[in-house]
Amino acid sequence: GQQVMQIPQYQHVQEGEDFTTYCNSSTTLSNIQWYKQRPGGHPVFLIQLVKSGEVKKQKRLTFQFGEAKKNSSLHITATQTTDVGTYFCAGLVRSSNTGKLIFGQGTTLQVKP
Amino acid sequence: DTGVSQDPRHKITKRGQNVTFRCDPISEHNRLYWYRQTLGQGPEFLTYFQNEAQLEKSRLLSDRFSAERPKGSFSTLEIQRTEQGDSAMYLCASSGDSRKSNLWQMGYTFGSGTRLTVV
Repeated sequence: GQQVMQIPQYQHVQEGEDFTTYCNSSTTLSNIQWYKQRPGGHPVFLIQLVKSGEVKKQKRLTFQFGEAKKNSSLHITATQTTDVGTYFCAGLVRSSNTGKLIFGQGTTLQVKP
Repeated sequence: DTGVSQDPRHKITKRGQNVTFRCDPISEHNRLYWYRQTLGQGPEFLTYFQNEAQLEKSRLLSDRFSAERPKGSFSTLEIQRTEQGDSAMYLCASSGDSRKSNLWQMGYTFGSGTRLTVV
């Protein structure tokens, strides 16, 4: 079946260090979305990438979509304690006509002050 | 409130009992999804409604699970004869169709979820 894999599963950084999480799909995606889930909370939509090779920035967050539309990354520059949480990528399979997203397992970020 | 509402927030039930959860999506969203999330995992797709029609159901969903969305508004998810393996967070999400050029779907808005514990 279609799978979306994320690495690493956990990342502990010192405040001010950079952080990157990687996402790989077993199939070509129509688009990819990123969500953040704070401890005890629910996933919150961050961004959607649609075009091959697309790069988008949100303040200290940089999102990339691979040329083959099968992988993506999220990079956070100079992490802050407010960045703590689990980051999920979620892919929309090209053949889907329902908008069903396949979520990765997530990368949990801990930031030490 | 313009978000997605789920009720109840927590449910503890004995094995073998039936439970029903409710989701009220954002009113202008025509798409409604149910997902299940266990500790340390990403949300796992259960079922999808477009308006009142249930258009997709996960093969992982046994016959004990049923969902409805009468009149295309709120949705309910029922689990019959609950098992301990059903313990999880049940998340509802809604989304609409974007009016922008090449984005036919917007991101999901998730509710706070219903945490089910089967004892």
